[in-house]
Amino acid sequence: EADIYQTPRYLVIGTGKKITLECSQTMGHDKMYWYQQDPGMELHLIHYSYGVNSTEKGDLSSESTVSRIRTEHFPLTLESARPSHTSQYLCASSELSLTDTQYFGPGTRLTVL
Amino acid sequence: DAKTTQPTSMDCAEGRAANLPCNHSTISGNEYVYWYRQIHSQGPQYIIHGLKNNETNEMASLIITEDRKSSTLILPHATLRDTAVYYCIVRGGDNTDKLIFGTGTRLQVFP
Repeated sequence: EADIYQTPRYLVIGTGKKITLECSQTMGHDKMYWYQQDPGMELHLIHYSYGVNSTEKGDLSSESTVSRIRTEHFPLTLESARPSHTSQYLCASSELSLTDTQYFGPGTRLTVL
Repeated sequence: DAKTTQPTSMDCAEGRAANLPCNHSTISGNEYVYWYRQIHSQGPQYIIHGLKNNETNEMASLIITEDRKSSTLILPHATLRDTAVYYCIVRGGDNTDKLIFGTGTRLQVFP
């Protein structure tokens, strides 16, 4: 079983607040990812990282930002939350390998009022 | 990445084998077939992957046709806890970055 953690699991916050969603993994994986998923819908990649000091934008345009200062940590920040940011955010990690199997955290369910 | 086609939903009796099909007729030679599942809004769980040979692990078996245009995930003895959305994903072996999940198959295991 993968060791990847996300906090908080649930967050309800008002419009305009700055929030940071935490993601940590203890597997030493180089690659990390953030996905966004609305209820009953597909997952969409919003950010990923190849390693320390590497960040890339995914397929879905997102107003969030990420950083990768340490291998094990890949936080996602929303500078000013809006109701349209209400969604589930899923973090994943993988080794830099040919098959690159991704392991997911439990997710953070964000509600912006 | 190649597109995949899966049935929207399937039912399976508890204790029976669940066979989940996936079509990926445009798959190319270096693309792997991955299966993940997602149980009620939890993070997706990796199940198995393969290139061209059949694969088996403690969770499931993956049968890939000889022409690689389709595959079947087999849960040999389904339990109620296997009720989930199952995603078949085809992804390049060149370390491309994203998993395209699609809508998957909603498997309902009933008593």
